Amino acid sequence: GQQLNQSPQSMFIQEGEDVSMNCTSSSIFNTWLWYKQDPGEGPVLLIALYKAGELTSNGRLTAQFGITRKDSFLNISASIPSDVGIYFCAGQLKGSGNTGKLIFGQGTTLQVKP
Amino acid sequence: DAGVTQSPTHLIKTRGQQVTLRCSPKSGHDTVSWYQQALGQGPQFIFQYYEEEERQRGNFPDRFSGHQFPNYSSELNVNALLLGDSALYLCASSFLGGTSGTKGEKLFFGSGTQLSVL
Repeated sequence: GQQLNQSPQSMFIQEGEDVSMNCTSSSIFNTWLWYKQDPGEGPVLLIALYKAGELTSNGRLTAQFGITRKDSFLNISASIPSDVGIYFCAGQLKGSGNTGKLIFGQGTTLQVKP
Repeated sequence: DAGVTQSPTHLIKTRGQQVTLRCSPKSGHDTVSWYQQALGQGPQFIFQYYEEEERQRGNFPDRFSGHQFPNYSSELNVNALLLGDSALYLCASSFLGGTSGTKGEKLFFGSGTQLSVL
């Protein structure tokens, strides 16, 4: 089936550092979304991207929809302890037509040392 | 503004039993999608319901079935449970509103139902 390759798998950083993670695929996507999931909870939507090249910010978070439509990245600036969690990229394939079918990456586990 | 709500939060079943999970979408949303998330993995799409019909289905067997009610809430049914069905089941809602086109949907997830099959 379709896959998204998300990297890195995990990160352990110092509070205040910037973080970068990305997702790549061999397929073209219409939409890229970034979610954060805390233990025992559902994913919470952080940023949604709809156009190739689009760069969108949400507070300290910035995400971009790659020009080739096959990749996306998420940056977190000046990390704080509450940024701890699992970050997932998710994409909707071109041609899947608003069916709610998102393909998820494997997740990036972020740990922040105070 | 109520978000996506799911019930129950936890459930323990034995192999061969049947289970029903419930979901109420976010206020104003008309579409419900169900996902299965195994431990340490990203969510996997099961199916989506809109206008009380299944619109698309992921790679899941017929043991997985669903229903959407006129008030947009939804149920996920799993028959003949297997040990491998143990997972977090997530419901996500969105607003489709009869539109078509290529713009993707924003999905908002509930907290999930943790199903353990013994």
